[in-house]
Amino acid sequence: ETGVTQSPTHLIKTRGQQVTLRCSSQSGHNTVSWYQQALGQGPQFIFQYYREEENGRGNFPPRFSGLQFPNYSSELNVNALELDDSALYLCASSLAGLVETQYFGPGTRLLVL
Amino acid sequence: GESVGLHLPTLSVQEGDNSIINCAYSNSASDYFIWYKQESGKGPQFIIDIRSNMDKRQGQRVTVLLNKTVKHLSLQIAATQPGDSAVYFCAELKAAGNKLTFGGGTRVLVKP
Repeated sequence: ETGVTQSPTHLIKTRGQQVTLRCSSQSGHNTVSWYQQALGQGPQFIFQYYREEENGRGNFPPRFSGLQFPNYSSELNVNALELDDSALYLCASSLAGLVETQYFGPGTRLLVL
Repeated sequence: GESVGLHLPTLSVQEGDNSIINCAYSNSASDYFIWYKQESGKGPQFIIDIRSNMDKRQGQRVTVLLNKTVKHLSLQIAATQPGDSAVYFCAELKAAGNKLTFGGGTRVLVKP
């Protein structure tokens, strides 16, 4: 098992609501990347946080936002939830933005009704 | 545990046989490629990587082959075991980039 933890494990929301997902990075890792994995597909890069700043973003609308805290843990916030936001949300931590050596958490399964 | 994917291409292999999983990538500027294994209820787990200046790399029971001419990547698993049952993804990364682009995945089922 990696040292990356995510909470909650499962979540059910309704359309239009807002959600916050949390990720604790592996000890010593200062970079967190977030991915969305729809059922039957590979993960898609949402964004990366390095030293509390956004450091790259994928093709996701602004209602997907994030934060990284001084202890390098991170939050993913999604506003105005849509049905298509239903997915597994994965975070991965690494050192100095080196995604080659990133470790993934188990994910948070979000269902939007 | 939860299902990673219900409609993925599936490779059924007899325990002890070799498995070959294929992946076509799209970006000729990609510099680095990684294979991940994802078991039910877990995040992707790193298996092996290869840089674009190589065409083959071997690990423990796994070999990755890269053919840049046809933008093709393969993962070979020797003597497949029940614990190898999972969904396998290839991912590509541009040099000095931080955005991993994943392929669609292949489910491997190992028959005893």
